[in-house]
Amino acid sequence: QSVLTQPPSASGTPGQRVTISCSGSSSNIGSNTVNWYQQLPGTAPKLLIYSNNQRPSGVPDRFSGSKSGTSASLAISGLQSEDEADYYCAAWDDSLKRVFGGGTKLTVL
Amino acid sequence: QVQLQQWGAGLLKPSETLSLTCAVYGGSFSGYYWSWIRQPPGKGLEWIGEINHSGSTNYNPSLKSRVTISVDTSKNQFSLNLSSVTAADTAVYYCASEYSSSSGLENWFDPWGQGTLVSVSS
Repeated sequence: QSVLTQPPSASGTPGQRVTISCSGSSSNIGSNTVNWYQQLPGTAPKLLIYSNNQRPSGVPDRFSGSKSGTSASLAISGLQSEDEADYYCAAWDDSLKRVFGGGTKLTVL
Repeated sequence: QVQLQQWGAGLLKPSETLSLTCAVYGGSFSGYYWSWIRQPPGKGLEWIGEINHSGSTNYNPSLKSRVTISVDTSKNQFSLNLSSVTAADTAVYYCASEYSSSSGLENWFDPWGQGTLVSVSS
């Protein structure tokens, strides 16, 4: 069981806006920043969002992140077929441990 | 542009020791933490532990008794040893670079190695 809680699945049609939630506690999301990773099938995870809402160079602005209290969200607007992947949230936990969510499988219908 | 390349044995028997190595190319080796993360088949990600260029380590408390992470600064490499493996340790193992801000409040993994599937079976 993962420390951070994500819905196991999400879906949308091309062009739609989809959000993925990530719920934690005061010892992780509540007191530290949140990162998001995208894992395309058969590949290593790739940094998608860091420090709650920052995009690395090369990540389209269709992807955005936010955080409020002990929860965070990833939003994908203008959904495209190539966005079909697993998405993981992550944060530092005050127990000096890095923790991840269980992952959300995004399906583009 | 930092790149990570990892290697190690892919098939182990129960009670053996898992050993993986990750080489860092194209960037500074000092000033970062270097982590190991694993992903059981069809499941989520689990952080194993990390090391910096000075050899300072942090481990996941759930694995700490079996994990050793070491560094070879002369080769820009770091390694993972996980002892007494069982079938529950079957996973894809990734190495990753961890950026940490000066405040220590912002940390993220980027980039990641290509992953190594390690299977434990008798």
